[in-house]
Amino acid sequence: DAGVTQSPTHLIKTRGQQVTLRCSPKSGHDTVSWYQQALGQGPQFIFQYYEEEERQRGNFPDRFSGHQFPNYSSELNVNALLLGDSALYLCASSMRDRGNEQFFGPGTRLTVL
Amino acid sequence: KQEVTQIPAALSVPEGENLVLNCSFTDSAIYNLQWFRQDPGKGLTSLLLIQSSQREQTSGRLNASLDKSSGRSTLYIAASQPGDSATYLCAVGNSGNTPLVFGKGTRLSVIA
Repeated sequence: DAGVTQSPTHLIKTRGQQVTLRCSPKSGHDTVSWYQQALGQGPQFIFQYYEEEERQRGNFPDRFSGHQFPNYSSELNVNALLLGDSALYLCASSMRDRGNEQFFGPGTRLTVL
Repeated sequence: KQEVTQIPAALSVPEGENLVLNCSFTDSAIYNLQWFRQDPGKGLTSLLLIQSSQREQTSGRLNASLDKSSGRSTLYIAASQPGDSATYLCAVGNSGNTPLVFGKGTRLSVIA
């Protein structure tokens, strides 16, 4: 079991650019959640996908969007990057209606210059 | 709105000590609580999951307790080792499929 995987590991972009981050959930999991973790802070919830639809969303602007594919993998897109978007982006997977235990991937470190 | 607080923010102990990390939450109507470990620049490793109906969970040298009525959880680490050095995060889920709400973590250093 490969667990939750994310790509790329690191990414450097400039202000105004767009970025796409990818996540493959743990085998058997159908729900994917994305979190943003700034340095020295706890992760903050961005949104959650289940059955290819966004089910819940945190307090993030529309510049943050996502997608879930039929194989349950997911993408996070961020448009018009700001310096403040620099953070570790974490993907978590879980099984719907099965106790809400979430398993996290290694994260993607995004640096915006 | 659920808020999670972890005290202390940082802790340094000599190897071999038993230690307790604290987590408090404002809304006691939680579904579950998870403790995670995070090494610098890395993802989160799940340590223990406590469902709302449970009082504690144990895994090896780790023991987590939950007191819903007082809005508190503790993570007890026995016989600490330098390899335990990391940031420990507490997170609560308010219902079955809701996102986790995290504290800021406790940064632990175990000195050999």
